[in-house]
Amino acid sequence: DAKTTQPPSMDCAEGRAANLPCNHSTISGNEYVYWYRQIHSQGPQYIIHGLKNNETNEMASLIITEDRKSSTLILPHATLRDTAVYYCIVREGGKLIFGQGTELSVKP
Amino acid sequence: DSGVTQTPKHLITATGQRVTLRCSPRSGDLSVYWYQQSLDQGLQFLIQYYNGEERAKGNILERFSAQQFPDLHSELNLSSLELGDSALYFCASSVLGSRPSGANVLTFGAGSRLTVL
Repeated sequence: DAKTTQPPSMDCAEGRAANLPCNHSTISGNEYVYWYRQIHSQGPQYIIHGLKNNETNEMASLIITEDRKSSTLILPHATLRDTAVYYCIVREGGKLIFGQGTELSVKP
Repeated sequence: DSGVTQTPKHLITATGQRVTLRCSPRSGDLSVYWYQQSLDQGLQFLIQYYNGEERAKGNILERFSAQQFPDLHSELNLSSLELGDSALYFCASSVLGSRPSGANVLTFGAGSRLTVL
């Protein structure tokens, strides 16, 4: 089973920030948190990853709590094309195990 | 284009048959991963190869097998197919193996859609 917990679904208004939470309370000290998204039935797309510090790239920002037990993916200005299932993943035994993810719906 | 190439894109076959799905990893990547995604289901990890050797195994049925060749491409063989094997099969690749530490970002292909009738 996946080591992460995410809300099954969220809505966001177009142009607003989308904040997707993830709990990973059993994460060990040297494990990264990875975020991917899957648009419809396309191949999962890598978004961002982090270890301890907050990270930002051209797609999103990742905020990791100090105790590393949870994180938040932020899409600063969501568009309709950001509608997808977002997966927060912590590696298990070297394997990336996908949970059910959060289905984000961006609405006009 | 992610750089990971999967063929065929679509495949329709009958129960009891055998099929082979092919994956070419991104240039420079040594690891190949296979995932299965059934209708309305999450991505299930099947198996990982690193530089030709099996590195990790997930929920892969005994009817399924895989291998990675010297040129690093991989094939997933599915035999004695059942209706329930209908799914999207994704291949992913990464530079690293299954080291316990260090970031290991996977790049996914577009998938092969298998329909078993």
